[in-house]
Amino acid sequence: DTGVSQDPRHKITKRGQNVTFRCDPISEHNRLYWYRQTLGQGPEFLTYFQNEAQLEKSRLLSDRFSAERPKGSFSTLEIQRTEQGDSAMYLCASSKLAGRGDEQFFGPGTRLTVL
Amino acid sequence: AQSVTQLDSQVPVFEEAPVELRCNYSSSVSVYLFWYVQYPNQGLQLLLKYLSGSTLVKGINGFEAEFNKSQTSFHLRKPSVHISDTAEYFCAVSEGSSASKIIFGSGTRLSIRP
Repeated sequence: DTGVSQDPRHKITKRGQNVTFRCDPISEHNRLYWYRQTLGQGPEFLTYFQNEAQLEKSRLLSDRFSAERPKGSFSTLEIQRTEQGDSAMYLCASSKLAGRGDEQFFGPGTRLTVL
Repeated sequence: AQSVTQLDSQVPVFEEAPVELRCNYSSSVSVYLFWYVQYPNQGLQLLLKYLSGSTLVKGINGFEAEFNKSQTSFHLRKPSVHISDTAEYFCAVSEGSSASKIIFGSGTRLSIRP
C-alpha cells in the first residue's frame, strides 16, 4: 500500500476564489471520507462515499462545498467562493468495508489558507 | 448525538514517567472507540481501537486503553513515556453497526520533558 495521498499539500488563495482538492485512497478501499481540522481542534466529519455513492453529508458542508467520487476511486472536494473561515486542514481518509469499526487510514492533508 | 470530551488540552510529563490521557464520550447506542496520534507535521495514525470483548485494549508503541461502559470513559495510558511520544492525541468514537463517520475529541497535546 502506498497510503492515502492528497494533492496539493498546501493551497493559498484569495477570498472569493474557487479551489479543488484531490484525494487518492488506498487501492481497493471502498469508503472514502473527508474531514476538516482547524487549529487546536480535532478533525470534523464532512462527508463520506461508499464506492461512488455519497452516503452522508455533514451540516458543516455548506452549499459552497461539493465532493465527488465519480468512478469510485479518487475523490475531489471543491470549495466555491472561498471565505476566510474556510482556512483549515482538509483531511481525506479511506477504509475497506470489512464490517464493524473498519480502520480509517488518513492522508497527510491539504492545508488551505484563504487571504 | 455522539460527542467526545478530552479533559486535558495539554499534558506535560517527564521522560520515563507514566501518563494517562483522559477521554469521556456520550452516545445513546453501542459505540466503537479509537485513539489516534498525530505527530508534528504528519497525518493521523491509529494507536488502538475498542470494538467489543476485553475492555483492556493494547495498541502500538506500548499504549493501552481501558473501556469503562459505566463511566463512559476510554482513557489512554502508557507506563513509561519517551521523547518520541511527543504528539497530539485524539480520542474518537463511531456509532452503531454502520460505523461510518468518526467523531473526534479536541485533542490532548502530550509534551515530554527530559
